[in-house]
Amino acid sequence: GAVVSQHPSWVICKSGTSVKIECRSLDFQATTMFWYRQFPKQSLMLMATSNEGSKATYEQGVEKDKFLINHASLTLSTLTVTSAHPEDSSFYICSATRDLRGFTLHNEQFFGPGTRLTVL
Amino acid sequence: QQQVKQSPQSLIVQKGGISIINCAYENTAFDYFPWYQQFPGKGPALLIAIRPDVSEKKEGRFTISFNKSAKQFSLHIMDSQPGDSATYFCAASMLWNSGNTPLVFGKGTRLSVIA
Repeated sequence: GAVVSQHPSWVICKSGTSVKIECRSLDFQATTMFWYRQFPKQSLMLMATSNEGSKATYEQGVEKDKFLINHASLTLSTLTVTSAHPEDSSFYICSATRDLRGFTLHNEQFFGPGTRLTVL
Repeated sequence: QQQVKQSPQSLIVQKGGISIINCAYENTAFDYFPWYQQFPGKGPALLIAIRPDVSEKKEGRFTISFNKSAKQFSLHIMDSQPGDSATYFCAASMLWNSGNTPLVFGKGTRLSVIA
């Protein structure tokens, strides 16, 4: 159990276009999902925290108008990179926390496999 | 105070040897300390985690040692194998929280196990 999927696994797009990345919890309900980006040989950098049915909370320095996050259901969150530029090329990873009988074990996070974005 | 300092940055271990990765934290409110394993091009996978009410937790070849007074915790990989070659991240957070406290990650350790 506790499987998180991401789609697509990799995407190449032209500069100026928008790209949508989906994050799904396959066998559990996730009230909270987190979006990270990771540059080569670096640690995960938290971009935003996404709660079902409410606006995402963005970390300092992350442009909310550029990285649109929608958490439409308890199993799906999407990250849209708008007007992508080459510097947005990165590995984007989502994670989800799982409800457990009405309680949420915050930070027992389950990570997706990541999405490699390359902007030409 | 939110930082988690991880060392070493990279580690080379002979097959069969013991790999040791160390982390230190500042925030005494942290009560959840997981270790993640990440292979190239993949998302991190939870390896093992510990709460501060125990000083050691062992799962197979992986052991976490926790020193609450020193605010340090470490990962020991016994009988290291080439398949263990990956990047390891320690993290810290508050497990039960009314808010949505994210994990604070260390910078990672690239482990290479050579035959």
